[in-house]
Amino acid sequence: DIQMTQSPASLSASPEEIVTITCQASQDIGNWLAWYQQKPGKSPQLLIYSATSLADGIPSRFSGSRSGTQYSLKISRLQVEDTGIYYCLQRYSNPWTFGGGTKLELK
Amino acid sequence: EVQLVESGGGLVQPGRSLKLSCLASGFTFSNYGMNWIRQAPGKGLEWVASISSSSSYIYYADTVKGRFTISRDNAKNTLYLQMTSLRSEDTALYYCARDRLGVMDAWGQGASVTVSS
Repeated sequence: DIQMTQSPASLSASPEEIVTITCQASQDIGNWLAWYQQKPGKSPQLLIYSATSLADGIPSRFSGSRSGTQYSLKISRLQVEDTGIYYCLQRYSNPWTFGGGTKLELK
Repeated sequence: EVQLVESGGGLVQPGRSLKLSCLASGFTFSNYGMNWIRQAPGKGLEWVASISSSSSYIYYADTVKGRFTISRDNAKNTLYLQMTSLRSEDTALYYCARDRLGVMDAWGQGASVTVSS
């Protein structure tokens, strides 16, 4: 199974700051990587697919990148509503696996 | 508007069975693969099962293989998850999600399953 190691597990940042969350895949997964945001008490929402493509309706301050088997989600100009837990997901091979999640809090 | 509404959750004793349903609307259900994903209380997301649009391809996580069965009725726009031999570790919020763009792009609000005596 492909392991997705996500870091950090939690972080706290101030509005307007830039934050980066990373996922390290245990093997090559190409661009089969997605990012989700889960707000408290809500279902996950797709942010990024194919490692770098922005999902419909998602603000452009969210962006995804890839360097080898390391994938990053960058949130620029952090807003209060960005509070939540962020997960990566690999869809390269079955079983599909999620990262452990990153809890983002705003100061 | 894409909508996925899960139902059928509840409290069930260990070893018993439960069947979840997910009613889809706002899109042509028969054109899309579908998934079940679960989230144990206070924990992360775990993929459970997937089914292709015509039910030709079905996949399960090892943790549920042989106990859970995913199925769909395209005429009723409904996805199912039959769960048998339930264990305490199956306690979770179960989401159904649509497959699009190679990912799960739309999720329901979840159905709560609690396995306890």
